[in-house]
Amino acid sequence: DAKTTQPNSMESNEEEPVHLPCNHSTISGTDYIHWYRQLPSQGPEYVIHGLTSNVNNRMASLAIAEDRKSSTLILHRATLRDAAVYYCILRDGAKGNKLTFGGGTRVLVKP
Amino acid sequence: NAGVTQTPKFQVLKTGQSMTLQCAQDMNHNSMYWYRQDPGMGLRLIYYSASEGTTDKGEVPNGYNVSRLNKREFSLRLESAAPSQTSVYFCASKRDRGLDEQFFGPGTRLTVL
Repeated sequence: DAKTTQPNSMESNEEEPVHLPCNHSTISGTDYIHWYRQLPSQGPEYVIHGLTSNVNNRMASLAIAEDRKSSTLILHRATLRDAAVYYCILRDGAKGNKLTFGGGTRVLVKP
Repeated sequence: NAGVTQTPKFQVLKTGQSMTLQCAQDMNHNSMYWYRQDPGMGLRLIYYSASEGTTDKGEVPNGYNVSRLNKREFSLRLESAAPSQTSVYFCASKRDRGLDEQFFGPGTRLTVL
């Protein structure tokens, strides 16, 4: 399975944007890029996913590099409730049942 | 809708004891999953069930068994608990075999002494 690399932690100030990078240099053509986040003492929750084009939803935006070897999750205005561990996950579109979680990026939001 | 529910929330076992973790979903999802999460780590897949009546091994299946009782329920059994199985266990469900998002339960925190 293709792997992802994320920074261990990032800090942001409240109401400022947060850009979370993810490297996936061995991504294959059928791999989708998924982002989940895990708030303290909770199960993970879906954030966003994409294949080639940039994606937006109510929670975040996903910017995917043209060569697909990296992507960036963008939280437009961080709130204290966005403090969580964010996981970047590649999921094979041909056999899409399983998620393989890495270590994720712990985001700290300062008031 | 309650979503994905797990029981119990907390459990302490002695080495060698057995127990079953229960998971149920009310979203009519076909696929269900069991993960474990050790401190400071990401989740690892133990077993999954793509549909009622089928189960498959994930990344770390040793020491566990599962039962897909019906479409709603997917249980995880530890036959002889070991301290290495101390972890937080998450159940998840997904609508079908495609790329839908997975919905996770609140977790069961298990300690094996």
